[in-house]
Amino acid sequence: DGGITQSPKYLFRKEGQNVTLSCEQNLNHDAMYWYRQDPGQGLRLIYYSQIVNDFQKGDIAEGYSVSREKKESFPLTVTSAQKNPTAFYLCASSQTMNTEAFFGQGTRLTVV
Amino acid sequence: DQQVKQNSPSLSVQEGRISILNCDYTNSMFDYFLWYKKYPAEGPTFLISISSIKDKNEDGRFTVFLNKSAKHLSLHIVPSQPGDSAVYFCAAYSGSARQLTFGSGTQLTVLP
Repeated sequence: DGGITQSPKYLFRKEGQNVTLSCEQNLNHDAMYWYRQDPGQGLRLIYYSQIVNDFQKGDIAEGYSVSREKKESFPLTVTSAQKNPTAFYLCASSQTMNTEAFFGQGTRLTVV
Repeated sequence: DQQVKQNSPSLSVQEGRISILNCDYTNSMFDYFLWYKKYPAEGPTFLISISSIKDKNEDGRFTVFLNKSAKHLSLHIVPSQPGDSAVYFCAAYSGSARQLTFGSGTQLTVLP
């Protein structure tokens, strides 16, 4: 059963702490993405990766970091430098950069 | 500066009637356009796409129209059903920038 899995679904973090969001896909897709959704702002691109061991900053990369050591995994770390981390985070993957993306269920991060 | 705009945050339509969702873009380098549908607390799912070399693509009840001169695309849903109630995102892909840019979404409500 192929798909893309994000975990956890809900995450609470104290101010000043780093937290890592997991994203795994078994679709054999080369490209993976992280988006952030805030009310009224649609989906904004944080980071993307076209291939293993390569990733590029998106529109709002400040305060975030990623790694792509394996094709199927693209974890996102929200660091303490991110000023407004409370949001709904979506991971996606696609065969290549110009084909439709498949999204995970999302992780809602709340900073308390 | 939003390159992909969905100016209507919400739309209500009677069941059985046509739903028309609109999307405008500013970047003439976009060469591929996609529509995604999103239910609350879930990731978006791909709905339909259109290449910039076409002006229409149809898939069942869903048709996407592209007007390149006006930098405008629209999604038509005929007939609308209550299960179509969701947030619809327009997205545009630029091969040169290698990025997929999303609009802010339109909440469609289909009334029974």
